[in-house]
Amino acid sequence: KAGVTQTPRYLIKTRGQQVTLSCSPISGHRSVSWYQQTPGQGLQFLFEYFSETQRNKGNFPGRFSGRQFSNSRSEMNVSTLELGDSALYLCASSLELATARGAFFGPGTRLTVL
Amino acid sequence: SQQGEEDPQALSIQEGENATMNCSYKTSINNLQWYRQNSGRGLVHLILIRSNEREKHSGRLRVTLDTSKKSSSLLITASRAADTASYFCATDYRGSQGNLIFGKGTKLSVKP
Repeated sequence: KAGVTQTPRYLIKTRGQQVTLSCSPISGHRSVSWYQQTPGQGLQFLFEYFSETQRNKGNFPGRFSGRQFSNSRSEMNVSTLELGDSALYLCASSLELATARGAFFGPGTRLTVL
Repeated sequence: SQQGEEDPQALSIQEGENATMNCSYKTSINNLQWYRQNSGRGLVHLILIRSNEREKHSGRLRVTLDTSKKSSSLLITASRAADTASYFCATDYRGSQGNLIFGKGTKLSVKP
C-alpha cells in the first residue's frame, strides 16, 4: 500500500498570503489528522476529520481551516499568513480515529513565511 | 497543559548500548503511543500500550506503563546508528476530544 502523501513538500509564502496544503491518506483510511510542528511548541494538534466530518479541533485561530473529501483526501488552509505560521505541517491517517490504534504520518509540508 | 513530557530531552549512547526514554503525563489515559521521527520527517508509529497493559514488546523495543505513577518508558535494546532519531510519546486522554497529545520528545543519538 502507498503511504500517506503530502503536497507540496516545501512552500515559501509571504505574510498576508494564504496557503492550501493537501494530504492523501492510505487507501481505506477514513481518518485524517493535521499537526503543526515547531521547535518551540513541538507537535500541536490542529484538527481531525473522519468520513468528511470534523471530529475535533485544537486551539488554533480561525485562520486555520480544513476539509475532507469523499475519497478521504484532506486539505488544510491557512489564511492571512503570519511569520509564526512557519512550521512543518504533518498529516496522519488511520482506519479509525488516530487515538484508537495509532496513526500513519506523511513526510510533512515545510512552510516558510517571510 | 495535558502535554506529556519526555525525559531526558537528549540522550547520546554508543552502538550496542541500551537506550531508555521516559514519558510522564498528567491525567488518566485510554492508551499511550510511542512514535519515532527522523530529522524533519514524518513520524513513524512504534507501539501502542493500553491503560490496562503493563508491558509490551516489539522487536528490540520494550514499553512499560505505570498508571499509578502516570509514566511510561521506552527501552531500545542493542541500539544501532539507524535508531538515531527523536522519540515522542502521545497520549489519548480519557475525556479528551479524541486527539493525541504529543510530548516534546527525546532526541536520541547513537554513535557508531
